[in-house]
Amino acid sequence: EVQLVESGGGLVQPGGSLRLSCAASGFTFSNYWMHWVRQAPGKGLVWVSRIKSDGSSTSHADSVKGRFTISRDNTKNTLYLQMNSLRAEDTAVYYCAREKYGSPDYWGPGTLVTVSS
Amino acid sequence: DIQMTQSPSSLSASVGDRVTITCRASQGIRNDLGWYQQTPGKAPKRLIYAASSLQSGVPSRFSGSGSGTEFTLTISSLQPEDFATYSCLQHNSYPLTFGGGTKVDLK
Repeated sequence: EVQLVESGGGLVQPGGSLRLSCAASGFTFSNYWMHWVRQAPGKGLVWVSRIKSDGSSTSHADSVKGRFTISRDNTKNTLYLQMNSLRAEDTAVYYCAREKYGSPDYWGPGTLVTVSS
Repeated sequence: DIQMTQSPSSLSASVGDRVTITCRASQGIRNDLGWYQQTPGKAPKRLIYAASSLQSGVPSRFSGSGSGTEFTLTISSLQPEDFATYSCLQHNSYPLTFGGGTKVDLK
């Protein structure tokens, strides 16, 4: 059974940093591209970042470019999102998701990040 | 960036109704589109990929159609568990972009 479980969310002050993790199991993690998608309270889904299966290529939304970095450790079956210079508008539930046939298929339950003083 | 315009933003329907939701892309995206269902407090669930392919395990009352710039998600006979928010996602080019969502509630 495919499982994705995010962790690392919490309350952080504006300008602070946080690293999210996503533990994967039930599939061969190293074969799949992975994504981060976020959802602000009461709002729609917004794509954040994606990384190629071997980690050799990444893409980020303009709103997080230069502040967020997606990475992965295929030996640990874990996806990461390093978030620096956090802003109030980064407050959201962050989901990790596996890509299959071009779009995310399985998603984790999400982890809440709150940026507030 | 490719804009995805989804309509309607909300609709009220009854069990057994046929429901249609539309997404329009600001430029052609071939069939690089997925449809997702989300209930409050839960992660999205993919229903359709490649515009018209049914995700494994998803009931056949869900169907998708379209190509290029106009896409449709149809629920042939709405069931109680289908009251949720539905969103489209284009993956033709980065950044990936979602439609604004359609909330389906009980009439």
